[in-house]
Amino acid sequence: NAGVTQTPKFRVLKTGQSMTLLCAQDMNHEYMYWYRQDPGMGLRLIHYSVGEGTTAKGEVPDGYNVSRLKKQNFLLGLESAAPSQTSVYFCASSYTQNTEAFFGQGTRLTVV
Amino acid sequence: AQSVTQPDIHITVSEGASLELRCNYSYGATPYLFWYVQSPGQGLQLLLKYFSGDTLVQGIKGFEAEFKRSQSSFNLRKPSVHWSDAAEYFCAVGAGANNLFFGTGTRLTVIP
Repeated sequence: NAGVTQTPKFRVLKTGQSMTLLCAQDMNHEYMYWYRQDPGMGLRLIHYSVGEGTTAKGEVPDGYNVSRLKKQNFLLGLESAAPSQTSVYFCASSYTQNTEAFFGQGTRLTVV
Repeated sequence: AQSVTQPDIHITVSEGASLELRCNYSYGATPYLFWYVQSPGQGLQLLLKYFSGDTLVQGIKGFEAEFKRSQSSFNLRKPSVHWSDAAEYFCAVGAGANNLFFGTGTRLTVIP
């Protein structure tokens, strides 16, 4: 099983450019999450979804948008990238809240 | 507000020595507690979790953790560390509102 798959794995953007990160899971999970990981700060929740067609803000949502048009996919968009968004982004999914979350391999994004 | 504290940023142990990684949490209700491990360039993998019941939980790779409500702690232990255990370890608390709050992580170095 593939589990949670993130694309792309690496990306370099110029300030002001836009991009979309794709997360796909094949475990029929209802819950999906986007985190960012920065040195010394652990993982911080950006947005999450509790089911197809739903999204909600997490701890650090500014500058990001998300969509969950299909249950298996959760997209994270940056409309106008800023250097402060340089980070490693992780997608995760879980069957219910507070059950084990399965993580993707991460996307390393650099904004110059 | 929920929070997770991992007071040790970096720990170095000799192969074969015992290990204890500290985790303290702040949460008003009964917590769901997790330990995840992240190898370089990889996503996070669940080591173990505590939801209720026996306060000593066993996980994968020979790890265990003990939940101590009176100390608000959930420390991770391993009796004999292997070189392959070198990684970053994250403690997390399930906050009940579709979120996992992560600590800032402890990086483990294993010396031969």
